[in-house]
Amino acid sequence: DSGVTQTPKHLITATGQRVTLRCSPRSGDLSVYWYQQSLDQGLQFLIQYYNGEERAKGNILERFSAQQFPDLHSELNLSSLELGDSALYFCASRGGGGLMTGELFFGEGSRLTVL
Amino acid sequence: AQSVAQPEDQVNVAEGNPLTVKCTYSVSGNPYLFWYVQYPNRGLQFLLKYITGDNLVKGSYGFEAEFNKSQTSFHLKKPSALVSDSALYFCAVRPQTGANNLFFGTGTRLTVIP
Repeated sequence: DSGVTQTPKHLITATGQRVTLRCSPRSGDLSVYWYQQSLDQGLQFLIQYYNGEERAKGNILERFSAQQFPDLHSELNLSSLELGDSALYFCASRGGGGLMTGELFFGEGSRLTVL
Repeated sequence: AQSVAQPEDQVNVAEGNPLTVKCTYSVSGNPYLFWYVQYPNRGLQFLLKYITGDNLVKGSYGFEAEFNKSQTSFHLKKPSALVSDSALYFCAVRPQTGANNLFFGTGTRLTVIP
């Protein structure tokens, strides 16, 4: 158990809909990362937050947004969903916000299926 | 731009034989390199990392990896494979300067045959 909790584990929805994925990082971790894992593109970095502030942005679509709350949990919002958004979405956390030289702790992911 | 290549989608090895999972990288400056493993229906788990120092790094579950700067490679190895090592393995890189997140390869599925 990594200590990172993601909900829901599975989600099935229709095109055009909006969903929210939630992540609770390990106790005390200030940095939260979101990754998308799809069959054809592997693991893609979406966005990073540190103590409530956005720190880095990767290949995140404009239809997607995220935030980190004062209690350090994070939410990833996906809107106007398309079939191609079907993927496994991972949240990961680590302690600091400085240079990444240590490991990331991953949750078990939220599997999104868009029909 | 930084990138990671895992040239083999699938590696099969007999139990008890040595295993190698290949990884090459492209990054500006000196890299920070990582290996993660993903078991079915689980998140990624950290195996080992190379930051600086000895080119041979040892990690969890008997795995090790060798950093080769001239070949820009960071291959994962284990002297004797176990059936329980069967999983999806990801190599990742973080440039020493610039982006402060990990860039992952597409993964290699390792199957250890009893």
